Amino acid sequence: DAMVIQNPRYQVTQFGKPVTLSCSQTLNHNVMYWYQQKSSQAPKLLFHYYDKDFNNEADTPDNFQSRRPNTSFCFLDIRSPGLGDAAMYLCATSRDVAEREQFFGPGTRLTVL
Amino acid sequence: GENVEQHPSTLSVQEGDSAVIKCTYSDSASNYFPWYKQELGKGPQLIIDIRSNVGEKKDQRIAVTLNKTAKHFSLHITETQPEDSAVYFCAASKTGANSKLTFGKGITLSVRP
Repeated sequence: DAMVIQNPRYQVTQFGKPVTLSCSQTLNHNVMYWYQQKSSQAPKLLFHYYDKDFNNEADTPDNFQSRRPNTSFCFLDIRSPGLGDAAMYLCATSRDVAEREQFFGPGTRLTVL
Repeated sequence: GENVEQHPSTLSVQEGDSAVIKCTYSDSASNYFPWYKQELGKGPQLIIDIRSNVGEKKDQRIAVTLNKTAKHFSLHITETQPEDSAVYFCAASKTGANSKLTFGKGITLSVRP
């Protein structure tokens, strides 16, 4: 089945230690999104790629970076995780920006010690 | 920007009863309204969506209605089952190269057996 895959499902890192979360998709969608979701809150968009074009949300901290080396993969890098960055990180895809149905992966739960 | 509000924040129904969840939005230019179901520890799953050119859409036990004049849309679940218990998010977006989904805060639906 075509799907959005996130690895790892659970990630523990130390305060200030860089961490990378990965997302892959077999849907061949052009757009990939990264969301942060804290407990009992709605997902908050961090940034998205439309093909190779990177679009950062205005309020996304510089501590968060992303890479999309090819259509299938997208990475979220947190350069210096703080305690406030502990959250669920969700990857989503859509076929195109005009096709606004978004398909989410299962998420990576990040714990910062 | 768009503001999506979701009420109530929790809803408990008896198995077999109907559940209605309502969302309001602020931007009259929004024209796409999806509903997502999120089970504990999983990513959001798109369950139904509606575009502004229709007033109602139905898929088996689930329906969504849209009132553009009042700027609200509602999710209707009939014959609820315990497996319907989850967090439900509504969202809104509009057409545009960098259109994004604006989510409501979510509602926790509990279906009592």
